[in-house]
Amino acid sequence: KAGVTQTPRYLIKTRGQQVTLSCSPISGHRSVSWYQQTPGQGLQFLFEYFSETQRNKGNFPGRFSGRQFSNSRSEMNVSTLELGDSALYLCASSRTQNTGELFFGEGSRLTVL
Amino acid sequence: QQQVKQSPQSLIVQKGGISIINCAYENTAFDYFPWYQQFPGKGPALLIAIRPDVSEKKEGRFTISFNKSAKQFSLHIMDSQPGDSATYFCAAKGGADGLTFGKGTHLIIQP
Repeated sequence: KAGVTQTPRYLIKTRGQQVTLSCSPISGHRSVSWYQQTPGQGLQFLFEYFSETQRNKGNFPGRFSGRQFSNSRSEMNVSTLELGDSALYLCASSRTQNTGELFFGEGSRLTVL
Repeated sequence: QQQVKQSPQSLIVQKGGISIINCAYENTAFDYFPWYQQFPGKGPALLIAIRPDVSEKKEGRFTISFNKSAKQFSLHIMDSQPGDSATYFCAAKGGADGLTFGKGTHLIIQP
């Protein structure tokens, strides 16, 4: 069974640009969550999507957004990039919403210059 | 406000020894406490989890001890092996919020 797939794995952007990251969940999993991982702040919850609807959101500015498609695949977007957005962005899928049993992908490493 | 405090930041244990990582939480609404293991270049992977209605859960060499009154929980790795060298994160979840993670413990098992 294939795991969670994230693309791209690495990307470099400059301040002010925007970026879109993609996530394909494990087959049969209907919930997708996104987390930001940095050395300073650790792992922080961004948002969770289930059945194409955002179910809850972490404490991040509106520049961070996402969506989920009918096939459960998800994308997250960060607009007007700042240096502090440099991080590993992790996608996790789960069978149901609102669960702590998450299956993480390997992440998308974003560097903002 | 850090809602889950994890210690130590780093830990070195001899092969065959016991590794112990501790976490404390503040939010009494938390009702699910997982531990995740992360290797370099990989995403976190669920290792073991516990709910507050039990005080201990054991899976192989990994044991979670939970103290509800003290709002503390810990991970014990028995007979630690070099392959256990990784970063370990405790986490907590309550209600509809996402997981709240501790800052992580970098564990090194020396052969």
